[in-house]
Amino acid sequence: QVQLVESGGGLVKPGGSLRLSCAASGFIFSDYYMSWIRQAPGKGLEWVSYIGSGGSPMDYVDSVKGRFTISRDNAMNSLYLQMNSLRAEDTAVYYCARGGRRSVDSWGQGTLVTVSS
Amino acid sequence: DVVMTQSPLSLPVTLGQPASISCRSSQGLVHSDGNTYLNWFQQRPGHSPRRLISKVSNRDSGVPDRFSGSGSGTDFTLKISRVEAEDVGLYYCMQSTHWLYTFGQGTKLEIK
Repeated sequence: QVQLVESGGGLVKPGGSLRLSCAASGFIFSDYYMSWIRQAPGKGLEWVSYIGSGGSPMDYVDSVKGRFTISRDNAMNSLYLQMNSLRAEDTAVYYCARGGRRSVDSWGQGTLVTVSS
Repeated sequence: DVVMTQSPLSLPVTLGQPASISCRSSQGLVHSDGNTYLNWFQQRPGHSPRRLISKVSNRDSGVPDRFSGSGSGTDFTLKISRVEAEDVGLYYCMQSTHWLYTFGQGTKLEIK
């Protein structure tokens, strides 16, 4: 069955960087768009970014443009999110999700990113 | 961005009774390909979201048939015919017709 396992979250100071990873299994990774979606503590869901099956197209929510970069390695069945210039408002659980063109149908368990001094 | 507005935000329901959640979008959700990309997700306490319904009314595999989706244009509804204890959690509508894809605020279903 579809498995998505995120890693790389943690505590980082404002202005710092983190790289999130998502290991995918149970499906043909290179056939699917992939996305990152986040949920701030006690808040709702916000789409962060998506990437096409071959690495393009990609897009981002305005609040992370220029700071976050989504990428993937189809040979390694992995999705990434490079997060730079982190802000307190980026604090959230970040979910890796399968899909991103018209919907997502599977989610990982999430990884918590906390931005605090 | 398309704003998705859910109501109610809190929904106490007696076991075995029906429940209904409304979702309204600030723009029409019919895509140029003719489809309406309105989805419903369930998030049980302590769990990741799970998709229940895509394209307004298509139930995902394994989703009980007591869940149904309907609507068109800008007004959509998720109905649970008979609420069970395992249905407790948050329910989100999400539009994926217009980028930036956006979610409703969430509706918290609890047992009365």
